[in-house]
Amino acid sequence: GDSVTQMEGPVTLSEEAFLTINCTYTATGYPSLFWYVQYPGEGLQLLLKATKADDKGSNKGFEATYRKETTSFHLEKGSVQVSDSAVYFCAPGVAGGTSYGKLTFGQGTILTVHP
Amino acid sequence: GAGVSQSPRYKVAKRGQDVALRCDPISGHVSLFWYQQALGQGPEFLTYFQNEAQLDKSGLPSDRFFAERPEGSVSTLKIQRTQQEDSAVYLCASSQIGGYTFGSGTRLTVV
Repeated sequence: GDSVTQMEGPVTLSEEAFLTINCTYTATGYPSLFWYVQYPGEGLQLLLKATKADDKGSNKGFEATYRKETTSFHLEKGSVQVSDSAVYFCAPGVAGGTSYGKLTFGQGTILTVHP
Repeated sequence: GAGVSQSPRYKVAKRGQDVALRCDPISGHVSLFWYQQALGQGPEFLTYFQNEAQLDKSGLPSDRFFAERPEGSVSTLKIQRTQQEDSAVYLCASSQIGGYTFGSGTRLTVV
């Protein structure tokens, strides 16, 4: 079945530092790829997505590029803020069949940003 | 409604008790998913509905877990004879084409 390997945390950064959270996956076919974020005390929110190879998803200064050749979808941000402190999940989505849209989540990476 | 609503937000059950968790999806969303999120882990797929049809229940961990969506809208996840290992946050999500919205989840604690 599908699986995800996500960079282990926790990750602690100072404000304005550069962020990379690595994500690699194995999947059948060509899934869509997602990053979700979970802020303290809140539910899962979609951060960004990419639906085909070489697509770049972006939102709130975060970016990730769908790399089919390396089966990776690394999350980056050039300058993090304290408000970015949260748990980040990488998730490929099933491309078709009876479970279209089913997500396989990584274990999550806790990010803490200090002022 | 505007979002996916789950109830109750918190549930404490004694071991062996049956529980029922409710999910109200976004109106008109055809697809509905249930996930289980253990503490410190990512969510894990439980089951999937398309309208009232349960198309995939491969993630249900045992026959104590049962889900239904009889009219293609509200869904209920039922856990019979709860065990301590069932303690987790249960997340519901509804979607149209490729766009997911998660509810805030029900935190179940089995004591």
